Amino acid sequence: DGGITQSPKYLFRKEGQNVTLSCEQNLNHDAMYWYRQDPGQGLRLIYYSQIVNDFQKGDIAEGYSVSREKKESFPLTVTSAQKNPTAFYLCASSIVARGYGYTFGSGTRLTVV
Amino acid sequence: EDQVTQSPEALRLQEGESSSLNCSYTVSGLRGLFWYRQDPGKGPEFLFTLYSAGEEKEKERLKATLTKKESFLHITAPKPEDSATYLCAVQAYQGGKLIFGQGTELSVKP
Repeated sequence: DGGITQSPKYLFRKEGQNVTLSCEQNLNHDAMYWYRQDPGQGLRLIYYSQIVNDFQKGDIAEGYSVSREKKESFPLTVTSAQKNPTAFYLCASSIVARGYGYTFGSGTRLTVV
Repeated sequence: EDQVTQSPEALRLQEGESSSLNCSYTVSGLRGLFWYRQDPGKGPEFLFTLYSAGEEKEKERLKATLTKKESFLHITAPKPEDSATYLCAVQAYQGGKLIFGQGTELSVKP
């Protein structure tokens, strides 16, 4: 079955540590996205990529980095520069076409300890 | 600026009590409007896409409608398993990214 897989489901980060969240899709989608979700704030776009080896900043990119070396993969690194990283992180993918929505992964909950 | 506002933020219903969720939007050329359902601790699950004013779509107890300024998600005779957060998003012709509303948290009590 085609889908989008995020791992791990839960992640704990120590102060000053970088962590990487994985996102893999086998839907043959060109575009991939990373969102952050906090209670009462909806989905906020961190980074997105519409083609391999290219990506753009979203609304809250500071403290995060991404890479898109393969069509199937779009990992997100939460760096030590991100001062408040505790949140639920969602990865999504889509084809670049009129009216085509996103397929979401199941999310990674990151907690600073 | 493209924007999506959902209301109410939270809605509590008794089982069988029908109601509607609202999604108001401003967008420079609507490419599509999307409804998603999200259960706690999970990713959003796609429900409907609406493309033009007057369009309606149904799935079980849910019916989505679209006008030029807003969309409604009507829930008929809800059951406790309909409890979830419902997200609305719009896609503009320019840009193509989905712009999400804050969501409406629906709770249906037996």
